[in-house]
Formats: sequence, C-alpha cells, structure tokens
Amino acid sequence: EVQLVQSGAEVKKPGESLKISCAASGYSFRSYWIAWVRQMPGKGLEWMGIIFPGDSDTRYSPSFQGQVTISADKSINTAYLQWNSLKASDTAMYYCAKARGSSARDWFDAWGQGTLVTVSS
Amino acid sequence: QSVLTQPPSVSAAPGQKVTISCSGSSSNIENNYVSWYQQLPGTAPKLLISANDKRPSGIPDRFSGSKSGTSATLAITGLQTGDEADYYCGTWDDNLRAGLFGGGTKVTVL
Repeated sequence: EVQLVQSGAEVKKPGESLKISCAASGYSFRSYWIAWVRQMPGKGLEWMGIIFPGDSDTRYSPSFQGQVTISADKSINTAYLQWNSLKASDTAMYYCAKARGSSARDWFDAWGQGTLVTVSS
Repeated sequence: QSVLTQPPSVSAAPGQKVTISCSGSSSNIENNYVSWYQQLPGTAPKLLISANDKRPSGIPDRFSGSKSGTSATLAITGLQTGDEADYYCGTWDDNLRAGLFGGGTKVTVL
C-alpha cells in the first residue's frame, strides 16, 4: 500500500527557517515524481513544485520559484519542502502528492495527510 | 485568479445530477490530461478522475469525466450527502512548465 506520511504541525515566527518532510513507503520512491501543494486557509489548491527523487530533477511553479526549496533523500525515501525565511503569508496546509507515473505532468494518485504551518509573531 | 476556471459552487437535491466545468486554454487543458480531485471537509484531496475520463479503482461510476477542446467537465449522478465536498480539476501548463489546479467548486446537496 502506497503511503505518504508528513511531519507534524509547525508554529514559527516570521524570518525563521523551516523544513517539512514527506516519508514515502509502498512503492519505488526513486521512480515517481513527488509534488508539494499549498492550501491557504479557506482557499484552493496551489501547485508549488515537483521533484523526481531518482535524479533530483526539480520543477517549480513560477509563483513559488525562489520562495521555497524542494529536495529529496532517496536513501530514506523522503521528500522535503524548505523555507529560509518564513512570512506570515506562508501560513497554510501543505500536502505532498505522488505522481502516477514517470512524467512531471502526471496526475496525483496518493496524497499525504498534510502539514499545517502557522507563521505568527 | 486561477488559470483554470471553475464555478465556485453548485448544488442539487439528493439523487440529482451536477456538472462542474473547468475552463482553460490551448497551453493547458487542450494538450494535456485533466484529472479531478475530491476534498472532503478537513481531509486531504483524493484522486477521482485521471487522464480526462478514467476512474481509479474504488471510485463509483456515479463520477465521470470528459474533455473537449479547452474545457473539461466532471459529472456526479445520483447525488448523495456524502458527496458534499470541494472538487478541483488539475492539469499541466506547457507555457508555465508547471502543474495547475482550478479554483475549486463546492458541491452542496440540498
């Protein structure tokens, strides 16, 4: 069974750094793209970026390029989403999602449970 | 403002049918697969329709998807109270070189 288990909720102050994780199991982690999706409070889904763990090929939405860093450690089957300097506007639920196949264009057939990030002074 | 346009809300009585549209352009929907996701309150999204019109295992045939040109449609027949959720379309955009989601549609069962 495919499982994506995300790290727990975080409460941070503006300007702080943060790295959240998504631990995958039940499939060949290095062979499928994993994406990160933002959902701000009461709002819709936003595609942030995607990584292919096999070779760390990464694509970002223009809206998120330079704002976050997506990485993966294939030795422990885990993907990461990182901020160097958080802003209050980063407050949101963040989901990781596994793409169905070997293309970054593929749909997402498994989702993590979400990590709530709250940024407040 | 999302690149993919969905109606904010649709509603119907139990047993009836609703359709949700997802309007895009030649750089996204027309030349890429469309998928649909269901997000029940307080939960993570779940894949409902893949590759325009394919239902993953376990998804009832009350849910169907279609695509024509730069638009896609999700139809839900035999509406049930358990179908109350937010629904999102998704696809790839060749100009942005990134994925996209529609703004989401809230389905209410009257």
